Amino acid sequence: DVKVTQSSRYLVKRTGEKVFLECVQDMDHENMFWYRQDPGLGLRLIYFSYDVKMKEKGDIPEGYSVSREKKERFSLILESASTNQTSMYLCASRAPGNNSPLHFGNGTRLTVT
Amino acid sequence: GNSVTQMEGPVTLSEEAFLTINCTYTATGYPSLFWYVQYPGEGLQLLLKATKADDKGSNKGFEATYRKETTSFHLEKGSVQVSDSAVYFCALSDRGNKLTFGTGTQLKVEL
Repeated sequence: DVKVTQSSRYLVKRTGEKVFLECVQDMDHENMFWYRQDPGLGLRLIYFSYDVKMKEKGDIPEGYSVSREKKERFSLILESASTNQTSMYLCASRAPGNNSPLHFGNGTRLTVT
Repeated sequence: GNSVTQMEGPVTLSEEAFLTINCTYTATGYPSLFWYVQYPGEGLQLLLKATKADDKGSNKGFEATYRKETTSFHLEKGSVQVSDSAVYFCALSDRGNKLTFGTGTQLKVEL
């Protein structure tokens, strides 16, 4: 089974802090994704990566950056956390191909105070 | 562009009732279709998928049939249990690397 591991389940940070959310997958997938999930808005794609050191903006990249130095690891960075970034963050990975499903981690619930 | 529309929730049912959660989609090509489930406090898990027209995906008593003529992929289960209470997401994949998700439908099953 594919395992996608997010380093923290819960995180509390202060406004203005730099925040790192880490994600590791163990199935050698090329594609990795970061989503945020908010009530009434569903899942919104922040960034994705289709190869090491490659990244593309998703639908809501403002205020975020990402890093993919190794194939198995994809990090989401909040350069200066703000209260409107309080959310559930979900990491996912996917093999190539239209039929391949996304495999999700358990999520990180981030609260910015 | 691609889009997925799901029925609004929450859907509240009694145990052993029949479940239908509607999902319709818009896509430019021939997408693959997915249903995901999210239990409280967890990430999303793949429930089932269908990759071409008239395919039926099934898992854990849930079924969905890929209907190209109505651009639909409705989720059904004949007899729900309390343990099925969760949020259900419909999604499509149509070229490229990304999936497009619906906004989710919360299901509550009561005794």
